[in-house]
Amino acid sequence: EPEVTQTPSHQVTQMGQEVILRCVPISNHLYFYWYRQILGQKVEFLVSFYNNEISEKSEIFDDQFSVERPDGSNFTLKIRSTKLEDSAMYFCASIRTGGSNTEAFFGQGTRLTVV
Amino acid sequence: QKEVEQDPGPLSVPEGAIVSLNCTYSNSAFQYFMWYRQYSRKGPELLMYTYSSGNKEDGRFTAQVDKSSKYISLFIRDSQPSDSATYLCAMSGTGGFKTIFGAGTRLFVKA
Repeated sequence: EPEVTQTPSHQVTQMGQEVILRCVPISNHLYFYWYRQILGQKVEFLVSFYNNEISEKSEIFDDQFSVERPDGSNFTLKIRSTKLEDSAMYFCASIRTGGSNTEAFFGQGTRLTVV
Repeated sequence: QKEVEQDPGPLSVPEGAIVSLNCTYSNSAFQYFMWYRQYSRKGPELLMYTYSSGNKEDGRFTAQVDKSSKYISLFIRDSQPSDSATYLCAMSGTGGFKTIFGAGTRLFVKA
């Protein structure tokens, strides 16, 4: 089965530092998403990315966040100046739309801990 | 009223039972409905992706959507211990995955 790979699996960072979370999506997929899940809370949509640009973003995705696909394979989420409340699991998803044959694969997640 | 409501459980059933998981929602603009399974410390796994009202079956899983009641269900037949996980409903107003998730229902299937 296709696999989405996320690195690192766990990142500990000091408040105010920049972090980059990495994802390798599935090669023939065109839509990429980031979600987060704060411990004990719901999964929340952050941003979607298509054709090398952001297609939709949530209110959470403010100026501290950015995404890019620098080399055509990796898909990254950058948090410029981390806050304690950014501590969460961050999931990357790779999507292929196709009506009832739509596929969505999530990575295993990166656990971000801001101290 | 929350946009998507899902009973967090836990729900405990014996092996072989039929499991019924449900979500209600308030936003009538939702057109696409999904069910995910999430094992502990893993990413969500898309089980079912449906559009508008009706039923969809895939193996032991059946998803039902009743838009008139704003109610969706996932049925699991012949439940197995390996089905023990958290089940998340999610929905969106477009075909994309800018989704609103439910809180998830923890399911335990006892051997």
